[in-house]
Amino acid sequence: SAVISQKPSRDICQRGTSLTIQCQVDSQVTMMFWYRQQPGQSLTLIATANQGSEATYESGFVIDKFPISRPNLTFSTLTVSNMSPEDSSIYLCSAPWGGGETQYFGPGTRLLVL
Amino acid sequence: SQKIEQNSEALNIQEGKTATLTCNYTNYSPAYLQWYRQDPGRGPVFLLLIRENEKEKRKERLKVTFDTTLKQSLFHITASQPADSATYLCALDPNGGATNKLIFGTGTLLAVQP
Repeated sequence: SAVISQKPSRDICQRGTSLTIQCQVDSQVTMMFWYRQQPGQSLTLIATANQGSEATYESGFVIDKFPISRPNLTFSTLTVSNMSPEDSSIYLCSAPWGGGETQYFGPGTRLLVL
Repeated sequence: SQKIEQNSEALNIQEGKTATLTCNYTNYSPAYLQWYRQDPGRGPVFLLLIRENEKEKRKERLKVTFDTTLKQSLFHITASQPADSATYLCALDPNGGATNKLIFGTGTLLAVQP
């Protein structure tokens, strides 16, 4: 199994500012994913963090708003830029494990934008 | 349009009874379907995966069925316990298992009453 940690666990931010969320996996993984979970909603995939290349974004998400870094096979960051209250969500990172079909998730970063 | 739907209402059952949760999808042809459990303030935890050529899979008190004709999966928890209370999410890879990306259903909140 994989252990995934995230920092910070929660934060309260002012609109217009940016927050960078870190995700650390205890073993090397090929892919890492970033999800958003808005209040009372299910998970929505933001992007795939690729090591050595640009992230691949899903429809409705853009690099300028959610820049992602993947400097190595165990670490990734997601930045939420120029935040507004609508960005208040839980942000989760995940990594596929075993045969790649199942995913391990981090505990999430709970973000509140005022 | 493509979507994954689960019981929208919370499911309340008595301890010891069997809980049955439903996941219906449209316009996907998944190679497999997965079920996750999510507790408040935590990331989803993988429970079971069932492949398109499998009708049923079991793990301890959990049972999953998969009907690709009906485009439906059922998730059963037998002899339910209050500790089973959580939100249960179904998920699939919209690319037939090729990308390890997951699309999640809306989730069903299960409450087991002692």
